[in-house]
Amino acid sequence: AQSVTQLDSQVPVFEEAPVELRCNYSSSVSVYLFWYVQYPNQGLQLLLKYLSGSTLVKGINGFEAEFNKSQTSFHLRKPSVHISDTAEYFCAVSVQGAQKLVFGQGTRLTINP
Amino acid sequence: GAGVSQSPSNKVTEKGKDVELRCDPISGHTALYWYRQSLGQGLEFLIYFQGNSAPDKSGLPSDRFSAERTGGSVSTLTIQRTQQEDSAVYLCASSSGLAGPYEQYFGPGTRLTVT
Repeated sequence: AQSVTQLDSQVPVFEEAPVELRCNYSSSVSVYLFWYVQYPNQGLQLLLKYLSGSTLVKGINGFEAEFNKSQTSFHLRKPSVHISDTAEYFCAVSVQGAQKLVFGQGTRLTINP
Repeated sequence: GAGVSQSPSNKVTEKGKDVELRCDPISGHTALYWYRQSLGQGLEFLIYFQGNSAPDKSGLPSDRFSAERTGGSVSTLTIQRTQQEDSAVYLCASSSGLAGPYEQYFGPGTRLTVT
């Protein structure tokens, strides 16, 4: 079975500072990887996804993530955060050939002015 | 275009009552998913429908939970004899295509509170 671990439940950062949200996964087969964002009182929105090819993927709102197969990681980064990035971020994995997403526990990103 | 819609947005029910939650997927999307988001368990997969194929029910937590999808479009998640541990936000998502992993578009969710 697959599992996803988000190593930080909460990450506070100052505005315009860089941020990294960590995600590790466990799977015995090839996977697809995703990051979703959930703004307060809203549904989930896809930030970016890794399917194959280049291990560095760029998403919306200036976010990017790097797939590291040897480390089984898919960390999310942004070089300079904005107040509007305050949200909960979920890393998710799906097994190739399957459809359901397995989510991590989420990381709450708080941006301080 | 219209996104995934869910109704009601909030539902408060008494323990032991049955509830029905509705999901309208994006038009033309053949795949539909239900997830549950709760404080203790995070985001959990419940059930997946793809076209006319038999649904993947592997995530349903008990036989009190069931779901159907009529006409390949609207879906209803039914919880019978609700328990307090059923309190959660129930999220529906839809996606296009027969082969994954197409992007799943999520609705705003239904917040269920069992008193």
